Amino acid sequence: EVQLVESGGGLVQPGRSLRLSCTASGFTFGDYAMSWVRQAPGKGLEWVGFIRSKAYGGTTEYAASVKGRFTISRDDSKSIAYLQMNSLKTEDTAVYYCTRGVDSWGQGTLVTVSS
Amino acid sequence: SYELTQPPSVSVSPGQTARITCSGDALPKKYAYWYQQKSGQAPVLVIYEDSKRPSGIPERFSGSSSGTMATLTISGAQVEDEADYYCYSTDSSGNPNWVFGGGTKLTVL
Repeated sequence: EVQLVESGGGLVQPGRSLRLSCTASGFTFGDYAMSWVRQAPGKGLEWVGFIRSKAYGGTTEYAASVKGRFTISRDDSKSIAYLQMNSLKTEDTAVYYCTRGVDSWGQGTLVTVSS
Repeated sequence: SYELTQPPSVSVSPGQTARITCSGDALPKKYAYWYQQKSGQAPVLVIYEDSKRPSGIPERFSGSSSGTMATLTISGAQVEDEADYYCYSTDSSGNPNWVFGGGTKLTVL
């Protein structure tokens, strides 16, 4: 069974940094692209970005709203994907989900950016 | 930037057919995917590649796509189908970015 567990969320002040982790199990992690999607309170889904598998270069793509501030990385030996978030803004407040491609989502972790 | 447009809400009585649409200029060339999100829960994929149903998804859920519109159909909607539904796709310009529709609140009562 595919399982994705996000961690690392919490309350952070504007301008600070936070790193989220997505720990995967139940599949060969290195074979899949991993994505991050967020959902602000009461709002819809917003794609954040993804990282391709090593077979496809392990390269990354980002939404315009986070490009230059957020970085996605992966450690295939540990089956973990990361989302490094820098220069956080209040509008980054959301539940952050990691996904395996389009078919499997974690339960999400809440990030609150507030002073 | 590319956009997918959904109606904000759809309402049906139990047992009726619910249809939720998603319009986007690239849909003739790109697949649509549909997610169901119940209150307080993570999204669940209910339709992929326009019309395929993942294992474990009830047969009453079906999808279709024609021209610039994709449609999620729930035949004989049940109270437990009440949720937000999101379509997802990509644009046809080579841009790899994911795009979600704004979501449709389905009310079954």
